[in-house]
Amino acid sequence: DAKTTQPTSMDCAEGRAANLPCNHSTISGNEYVYWYRQIHSQGPQYIIHGLKNNETNEMASLIITEDRKSSTLILPHATLRDTAVYYCIVKPKYNFNKFYFGSGTKLNVKP
Amino acid sequence: EAGVVQSPRYKIIEKKQPVAFWCNPISGHNTLYWYLQNLGQGPELLIRYENEEAVDDSQLPKDRFSAERLKGVDSTLKIQPAELGDSAVYLCASSSPGTTQDTGELFFGEGSRLTVL
Repeated sequence: DAKTTQPTSMDCAEGRAANLPCNHSTISGNEYVYWYRQIHSQGPQYIIHGLKNNETNEMASLIITEDRKSSTLILPHATLRDTAVYYCIVKPKYNFNKFYFGSGTKLNVKP
Repeated sequence: EAGVVQSPRYKIIEKKQPVAFWCNPISGHNTLYWYLQNLGQGPELLIRYENEEAVDDSQLPKDRFSAERLKGVDSTLKIQPAELGDSAVYLCASSSPGTTQDTGELFFGEGSRLTVL
């Protein structure tokens, strides 16, 4: 199963875009990239996922490089409530229930 | 619609005592997961159920941990006896076949925080 590498922590000013990177250089062709976040004292929450095309939903945008070896989660206008740990996960295609969360990136949104 | 419900939210026990955690998944979700989360780390899968059947329990320490999901709905995770190293957050999650196939989304509860003294 592919592993991911994320920075341990990042800071972002409130109202600015937060760009969270993730490296997944060993990803295989059929594996998807998923992002979850975990706010303090809560369970993880799904944000977005993608295979090779960029994706956008009401929460965030996901940019996947053409070689699929890295991706970036973009929170367009970060708020204080976006302060959380963000997990980048690569999910094997035929093992829908195997998630390796890793340690994630702690995003600190500051006023 | 109610989310995944877990109880208790917090539990403090002395080592060697037993403890149990309960999870009620989202209605209609036939897949249920128990995860362990140590401080500063991401969740790690302990066991996964498809209806009543435990289909992946390879990471469950079976000498002291047990789990059950009677009738394929609620689930209980038990530790007996608890050790100091079991202090962690125990997360329950659920998913439904359609949701998993389409988005891979897991729905998590708020977790049960265990402190073993």
